[in-house]
Amino acid sequence: DQQVKQNSPSLSVQEGRISILNCDYTNSMFDYFLWYKKYPAEGPTFLISISSIKDKNEDGRFTVFLNKSAKHLSLHIVPSQPGDSAVYFCAGSKTSDMRFGAGTRLTVKP
Amino acid sequence: EADIYQTPRYLVIGTGKKITLECSQTMGHDKMYWYQQDPGMELHLIHYSYGVNSTEKGDLSSESTVSRIRTEHFPLTLESARPSHTSQYLCASSFSSGKYNEQFFGPGTRLTVL
Repeated sequence: DQQVKQNSPSLSVQEGRISILNCDYTNSMFDYFLWYKKYPAEGPTFLISISSIKDKNEDGRFTVFLNKSAKHLSLHIVPSQPGDSAVYFCAGSKTSDMRFGAGTRLTVKP
Repeated sequence: EADIYQTPRYLVIGTGKKITLECSQTMGHDKMYWYQQDPGMELHLIHYSYGVNSTEKGDLSSESTVSRIRTEHFPLTLESARPSHTSQYLCASSFSSGKYNEQFFGPGTRLTVL
């Protein structure tokens, strides 16, 4: 039962442009959504989160949008930088329970 | 900064061997987790612990076992490794009262069973 889905396995954008990573979920009980970033040979690191009662959270170049009626969230990175190239995981969280998507590999070209 | 460590980082072993993957954290987190991840796939929770002497199985059935004798240590053991166990194993920890239930991850152990 895959409760969090990232349907785009990869995304390629030009440096300076916007990157939009998408995530869909099925579990209405999640109370937080998190984005993690993973470089090769490293563990995932926390990037940004959003409460289920919010529709937007911004942190520098990173903004996460939540559309509860569509059970959809997205991560916007503006402007994209080559150092942003990594795999991004979306996760839904409820108390001690966290479910991850399969990840989207972002490549930012110079 | 997260302080969670995993050893070894890479392991190549033969079928039938017993292995233990180590995970330690110095943040005093009460909750710890083991995930298994194959390339292009989601992280699957295989074990978790709420504290000392507490261990639970996760969503993905696994032939591995875990123990939690000390708060900071959460080793994972495979009694008899098989090629199907080849994967990346990620350890994580968090506070049960933590904000957004944020989990901190170790660097992972990439296991290859020949």
